Amino acid sequence: DAGVIQSPRHEVTEMGQEVTLRCKPISGHNSLFWYRQTMMRGLELLIYFNNNVPIDDSGMPEDRFSAKMPNASFSTLKIQPSEPRDSAVYFCASSLGLGGAGNTEAFFGQGTRLTVV
Amino acid sequence: AQKVTQAQTEISVVEKEDVTLDCVYETRDTTYYLFWYKQPPSGELVFLIRRNSFDEQNEISGRYSWNFQKSTSSFNFTITASQVVDSAVYFCALSEGLEYGNKLVFGAGTILRVKS
Repeated sequence: DAGVIQSPRHEVTEMGQEVTLRCKPISGHNSLFWYRQTMMRGLELLIYFNNNVPIDDSGMPEDRFSAKMPNASFSTLKIQPSEPRDSAVYFCASSLGLGGAGNTEAFFGQGTRLTVV
Repeated sequence: AQKVTQAQTEISVVEKEDVTLDCVYETRDTTYYLFWYKQPPSGELVFLIRRNSFDEQNEISGRYSWNFQKSTSSFNFTITASQVVDSAVYFCALSEGLEYGNKLVFGAGTILRVKS
């Protein structure tokens, strides 16, 4: 299996621009997570989906952030407009969520390093 | 609220030394999972182990071992005979919400530097 695939690996954009991060989860996994990693806040969960439905978006920092999962093999995280404080590494992860002991560990993509100047 | 504390910000050892990374967690749930992930300098997050709250048996995998003690809410990770390739940031994590997959709460991480 190719693992969780994220694109782009690096993104540099100017403040105010729209940024879209992409994720392809592991085939067969039905839970997908978006995390953000910064020096100040560490790794924090932004949003997660189960069977393409957003379950918990309480970690999304502002209305400027939005995430979609149109099908089981693709998700996007969009920031519009972007700000310098959005600079971070954004990770996508997927797992098999069957409830309780049926849940598997989350496997992470390599991350997208976003720099907003 | 759930919380994971990794009090050791950074540890430096010389190759072949044993090293233990500490992890203390807080949760009101009776059913939960604990994890360790490794983040090497290349940046990806690599899964190491998952342990559920009902299984307190220690686990050994090669040079890695884990000690889970519910009485002290700790899930410590030991690397025996450390190697330079073990240099990385190690994260302990706790899952909350078992209904839809393991939503993780991470500790701040411990930077491990292994010198040759």
